Amino acid sequence: DTGVSQDPRHKITKRGQNVTFRCDPISEHNRLYWYRQTLGQGPEFLTYFQNEAQLEKSRLLSDRFSAERPKGSFSTLEIQRTEQGDSAMYLCASSPGRGSSYNEQFFGPGTRLTVL
Amino acid sequence: DAKTTQPPSMDCAEGRAANLPCNHSTISGNEYVYWYRQIHSQGPQYIIHGLKNNETNEMASLIITEDRKSSTLILPHATLRDTAVYYCIVRAGGTSYGKLTFGQGTILTVHP
Repeated sequence: DTGVSQDPRHKITKRGQNVTFRCDPISEHNRLYWYRQTLGQGPEFLTYFQNEAQLEKSRLLSDRFSAERPKGSFSTLEIQRTEQGDSAMYLCASSPGRGSSYNEQFFGPGTRLTVL
Repeated sequence: DAKTTQPPSMDCAEGRAANLPCNHSTISGNEYVYWYRQIHSQGPQYIIHGLKNNETNEMASLIITEDRKSSTLILPHATLRDTAVYYCIVRAGGTSYGKLTFGQGTILTVHP
């Protein structure tokens, strides 16, 4: 078990381009979360999956953002027509949903997006 | 989820105990206190959580006041690697999925 992994770790793109990030949670964790963190701020919740079902989306997740978890394992976060305001660290976390640490969230290292 | 208030920054000498306070005066009966920390350029890391009893694990101790309106995270022997942003978060427990609402946290600097 190597923890939550995210790919890529860094992404630089031009305004208007589409980007996609991937998150691989800890195996058998059925809960998966995406957060966004801008400089000097704490992470902000974006969306949550339980298995393959997306159960909550923040108002921060505009129409340009879409997230999927097709088989209840890895997840992708896509941003269409990127804007400079999308520049941030995108964090993924997973939790087991059962057992003694059922609600503890394990975070990945994040993907740092820079929109030029 | 209840709002928390933390000092923006604190200093601590290496080897000393670091005591990080958190106020959560509007906490409700089913809400837990969680602490996470974030070392520079890494994702947040879970430290400890509690409901009303004091808790201790290999990383830290959590002291919750009797009225549950405030708590203190204690790192008993701080090291340079404990330099990080520490977040106090209050959220519902039980089987709720528990999205985390982060504030700005406390920047703890441990110096030699």
